[in-house]
Amino acid sequence: DAKTTQPPSMDCAEGRAANLPCNHSTISGNEYVYWYRQIHSQGPQYIIHGLKNNETNEMASLIITEDRKSSTLILPHATLRDTAVYYCIVRVFNDYKLSFGAGTTVTVRA
Amino acid sequence: SAVISQKPSRDICQRGTSLTIQCQVDSQVTMMFWYRQQPGQSLTLIATANQGSEATYESGFVIDKFPISRPNLTFSTLTVSNMSPEDSSIYLCSVEDLKYEQYFGPGTRLTVT
Repeated sequence: DAKTTQPPSMDCAEGRAANLPCNHSTISGNEYVYWYRQIHSQGPQYIIHGLKNNETNEMASLIITEDRKSSTLILPHATLRDTAVYYCIVRVFNDYKLSFGAGTTVTVRA
Repeated sequence: SAVISQKPSRDICQRGTSLTIQCQVDSQVTMMFWYRQQPGQSLTLIATANQGSEATYESGFVIDKFPISRPNLTFSTLTVSNMSPEDSSIYLCSVEDLKYEQYFGPGTRLTVT
């Protein structure tokens, strides 16, 4: 049973911001939103996670709506190396299980 | 973040044989995980390997098929036993740090002929 819904694919232009949506309408109060990405032929890479406040790190920003039913991962200046499958995952903070869905295939074009 | 290595990076094996995959971490971690990624699919958790206890397997995975060892806090192995072509996948190990962030190894690409 999928806990998140993501568009299957999206394109974005190099140098522009990439905004990746995720719907998690059944999220529980103790569940966090995690984002990972998987570049072709590599292991998944942790990007960012958050509970209800917006979060930012050196890779991306995470914007979570006030009702927590959806979120957006923002790559501020997409590069060709950001081409990957991006996974939005909800998990209880101390529950190690990561349930990977189909993710969004992001293609950054020059 | 933890640095994880896996051996072998890829292998081609005959059906009926077994392959043991090694996972090495550059720091001590409590929890290690093994995932499978079948061709064109997303990742599926196989089992959790904690040092000093038996591995905990997810639904659909059994110890006889995927025995796991965890001899210390930096190392684990996963064996894929009595292989069939359906076992052709990428096998990945991961670890979780104290900030509840999981880091993945590069994966082992297995092809069974």
